Amino acid sequence: DAGITQSPRYKITETGRQVTLMCHQTWSHSYMFWYRQDLGHGLRLIYYSAAADITDKGEVPDGYVVSRSKTENFPLTLESATRSQTSVYFCASSDHQRQGKGSPLHFGNGTRLTVT
Amino acid sequence: GDSVTQMEGPVTLSEEAFLTINCTYTATGYPSLFWYVQYPGEGLQLLLKATKADDKGSNKGFEATYRKETTSFHLEKGSVQVSDSAVYFCALRGDSGGGADGLTFGKGTHLIIQP
Repeated sequence: DAGITQSPRYKITETGRQVTLMCHQTWSHSYMFWYRQDLGHGLRLIYYSAAADITDKGEVPDGYVVSRSKTENFPLTLESATRSQTSVYFCASSDHQRQGKGSPLHFGNGTRLTVT
Repeated sequence: GDSVTQMEGPVTLSEEAFLTINCTYTATGYPSLFWYVQYPGEGLQLLLKATKADDKGSNKGFEATYRKETTSFHLEKGSVQVSDSAVYFCALRGDSGGGADGLTFGKGTHLIIQP
């Protein structure tokens, strides 16, 4: 089915471990985004990508790494997880390169990450 | 930079009540404005949008009008249902590009509708 899928849905990891969250979209949207959602903070942008091999930092990039070798995939890696990275992570995509700034973001269902 | 302010709640209403969730924003130029809804355990879904002043977005009985003079985009519904219980996010995309190619979100308003 067309859409944007994230995996895993739930992940528990230990402090210091590396963990990768996956995101895949089937629309061939140019832009992809990673947000984290925390109580009291709403959604905050971690990284975004305008196209394959083009990525840039958002509001809260520290401790995260992204890559985008293919248009449809945009994995997010926590190189050494910390408890403060316990959160719900959302991937999103947008076609606003063609549709302009009125084009919406389309979100996946999120990954709930717990760092113990 | 760009910002969005909305009441966080929870907002508790009885079924069939009138709903207003306030949203005000700060942005340069002429941003596009959005309302998203998030049901438990799910991602955010676009509810409605408006791209220029005085535009009215509407969907599923919800409405919001882009008011440039008051920098507001308040969400309204005439008669809410239990199924409308969710978290509602106001968001904008501004003109500045770069990191603002994404959306800037408010903190979300938790709405609870009681039968």
